[in-house]
Amino acid sequence: EAQVTQNPRYLITVTGKKLTVTCSQNMNHEYMSWYRQDPGLGLRQIYYSMNVEVTDKGDVPEGYKVSRKEKRNFPLILESPSPNQTSLYFCASSRSTGNEKLFFGSGTQLSVL
Amino acid sequence: GENVEQHPSTLSVQEGDSAVIKCTYSDSASNYFPWYKQELGKRPQLIIDIRSNVGEKKDQRIAVTLNKTAKHFSLHITETQPEDSAVYFCAASPGGLTGGGNKLTFGTGTQLKVEL
Repeated sequence: EAQVTQNPRYLITVTGKKLTVTCSQNMNHEYMSWYRQDPGLGLRQIYYSMNVEVTDKGDVPEGYKVSRKEKRNFPLILESPSPNQTSLYFCASSRSTGNEKLFFGSGTQLSVL
Repeated sequence: GENVEQHPSTLSVQEGDSAVIKCTYSDSASNYFPWYKQELGKRPQLIIDIRSNVGEKKDQRIAVTLNKTAKHFSLHITETQPEDSAVYFCAASPGGLTGGGNKLTFGTGTQLKVEL
């Protein structure tokens, strides 16, 4: 089954403790992206990747890192999480660009205490 | 960068009525305009999209219209049903395969409630 898999679904952590949210797709998609969803603010793009080793900032990249060492994986790294990063995070992928249908993962609800 | 405004933030209609959600965008280079539906606790899913070379697109009870001159586009849902209740997001993206063509900017969402 074609899908985007995110883990974990729920995560509670404390300020400053490094964490990684994993994202994997099995559709051989070139484009992958991370979004955060906050009430009243919609979905905001954090980082995106056009292909292996090609990443670029979205609209809200501060405090986040990403890597794209393999085509199928696009982990989101929070080196030193802060409470303002408490949010619902979605990974998404599409065949080649952001101008096509995005397939979203099931989301990761992160709480930073 | 692109700025997308979406209205209304909440919309309540009676079953069988029509619903219209409107979005405006700021970047005249934007040429791709998708709409996503997000049911409670679920992931967003694409329901329809339009590119700037057409003014209207329909898919059964859903239609999207685009006015490039005015920089606005709208989602129209006819004969609404309870299963249409969800949050709807519009989005806009500039064209091309690099840079701006990969930054999809979303609106803030519309909570649609279809009442029996």
